[in-house]
Amino acid sequence: GAVVSQHPSWVICKSGTSVKIECRSLDFQATTMFWYRQFPKQSLMLMATSNEGSKATYEQGVEKDKFLINHASLTLSTLTVTSAHPEDSSFYICSAPGQGSVALHFGNGTRLTVT
Amino acid sequence: DAKTTQPTSMDCAEGRAANLPCNHSTISGNEYVYWYRQIHSQGPQYIIHGLKNNETNEMASLIITEDRKSSTLILPHATLRDTAVYYCIVRLGAGNNRKLIWGLGTSLAVNP
Repeated sequence: GAVVSQHPSWVICKSGTSVKIECRSLDFQATTMFWYRQFPKQSLMLMATSNEGSKATYEQGVEKDKFLINHASLTLSTLTVTSAHPEDSSFYICSAPGQGSVALHFGNGTRLTVT
Repeated sequence: DAKTTQPTSMDCAEGRAANLPCNHSTISGNEYVYWYRQIHSQGPQYIIHGLKNNETNEMASLIITEDRKSSTLILPHATLRDTAVYYCIVRLGAGNNRKLIWGLGTSLAVNP
């Protein structure tokens, strides 16, 4: 149980375009989801906390107008990278707290490459 | 949340026990120790957590020193599939809605 599905697993896009990444909790409801970014050989950096039915909370230094987060239902959060640039190329990972569990459950990540 | 210190990398022979240390000398009384691992190009996976007592589950054992300033994650019979980066995280409370502060972890290589 407590599976988090992330889609797509990889995407290549041209500079200036937008990319949407989906994060779904398959067998549980998640009022909160977390979005991370990870550059090669670096650790996970929390970008924002997605809250169902309300605005996301962004970490310091993360542009909310560039990284749009929508959490419209209890099982789906989306991250849209707008006007992507090569420096946005990274590994994006979502997670959700499991119900009745202290663990965070993670998606398998999305490898974004902006050319 | 308290800062943790882990060795950058470790090696282990397949079938042997892998003992991964973590120092958290500034841990406070109500902070828990969590362990996650991340296999290459995948999302992290929860392993185990504890407060004071040693813990064991189907994946690993967690040994926490009496003064709680350090802990060791033990994989009793490491396999090649255990090759991953292991993160030790200390955080307040057992609830899962607080953000985790990730360090660089220990890169464990299990060798045949």
